[in-house]
Amino acid sequence: QKEVEQNSGPLSVPEGAIASLNCTYSDRGSQSFFWYRQYSGKSPELIMSIYSNGDKEDGRFTAQLNKASQYVSLLIRDSQPSDSATYLCAVNNDYKLSFGAGTTVTVRA
Amino acid sequence: DTGVSQDPRHKITKRGQNVTFRCDPISEHNRLYWYRQTLGQGPEFLTYFQNEAQLEKSRLLSDRFSAERPKGSFSTLEIQRTEQGDSAMYLCASSPSGTSGGGEQYFGPGTRLTVT
Repeated sequence: QKEVEQNSGPLSVPEGAIASLNCTYSDRGSQSFFWYRQYSGKSPELIMSIYSNGDKEDGRFTAQLNKASQYVSLLIRDSQPSDSATYLCAVNNDYKLSFGAGTTVTVRA
Repeated sequence: DTGVSQDPRHKITKRGQNVTFRCDPISEHNRLYWYRQTLGQGPEFLTYFQNEAQLEKSRLLSDRFSAERPKGSFSTLEIQRTEQGDSAMYLCASSPSGTSGGGEQYFGPGTRLTVT
């Protein structure tokens, strides 16, 4: 079993719609969770961090964490073409990050 | 805050050659990490420094790889006797101290290595 698993993509959504990304992790002791956005050929860019159960909103992004279910999600509201990228879920284990393989999102105009 | 910088951005080398990459973290960050990313995969942890001390090294990292952070500022990653399987994006990240269990990590632009 992989440490971090993400729903397989690619995910295609129309402009203005909500994109929903899911991630599960195996280490029940994990405490810190992150979402990174990665444009093709570029490095990962941190867009959200979440440490407690519940929702955390930042602009058009909402991260949700459920530690009992070992589940993290990211919602992108009012999707824009500039949101087209690969989204990486990362879980902190003793300082190092374990990443999922990423979900590629395409926002079509 | 100028962000994490890495040099070079691209490196093409022939199999068997040695290569060295440099990373300059965000100035107030005392933790520095190296990751490797291949196409279609998420970054994979290689090693981690707190100040000048190398605290963890991935079991997947062969003896051909070595990393240093001699003064607790910039870091270098050397790959000896490169192999075609070493072709990847090498990413450096840094994070501030004071966050128990690790906090937010910020990545540099990466060094793309191609071994021919």
